[in-house]
Amino acid sequence: QSVLTQPPSVSGAPGQRVAISCSGSSSNIGATYDVHWYQQLPGTAPKLLIYGNTNRPSGVPDRFSGSKSGTSASLVITGLQAEDEADYYCQSYDRSLSGSRVFGGGTKLTVL
Amino acid sequence: QVQLVQSGAEVKKPGASVRVSCKASGYTFTSYYIHWVRQAPGQGLEWVGTINPIISRTDYAQRFRGRVTVTRDTSTSTVYMELTSLKSEDTAVFYCTRGRWELDAFDVWGQGTMVTVSP
Repeated sequence: QSVLTQPPSVSGAPGQRVAISCSGSSSNIGATYDVHWYQQLPGTAPKLLIYGNTNRPSGVPDRFSGSKSGTSASLVITGLQAEDEADYYCQSYDRSLSGSRVFGGGTKLTVL
Repeated sequence: QVQLVQSGAEVKKPGASVRVSCKASGYTFTSYYIHWVRQAPGQGLEWVGTINPIISRTDYAQRFRGRVTVTRDTSTSTVYMELTSLKSEDTAVFYCTRGRWELDAFDVWGQGTMVTVSP
């Protein structure tokens, strides 16, 4: 059971918008710790997609955006493309777990 | 370019230990924390531990404490993760990754090292 809760799967047609939620608690996201998002294509290492809740690293398309409110965060992908099909993970820090960085369970995005 | 290059796949028997290396290049080694993340087959990401390469201070996830040790060699810009008392449930890909600050995002990842624990 992950400390951060994500939906196991989401799907959308090309060109559509999808949102992936990441629900935490007052000891992690709600304690103002930053949320980061990673994309993992099949058979590859994860890649940083969003850092510090809303920031995109250089090279990440602006179709990807992040937000945070209260004890939750969201990743939104607009103009869905076939190459976006991947697993997405949120990550933060939990102060109740003695120094632990925590990940969400991951969400599989299927492009229909 | 910035790279983290990990050692090759390992096959170990239950009860044995494994040491995985992560060699950094393309940046100042002591400027970034190195973290280890585990991914069991078909499962999600799980943080294992981290090291501050300047002072060699470590921090481990509670479930691995007592079984994992992360060390660094500044002369070769290499970080090592040793996991002892291996169980079949430890079969996984282990990734090293880096973060600029203690709670920073993980911006560069190694290619992963598959560790298989089998009798």
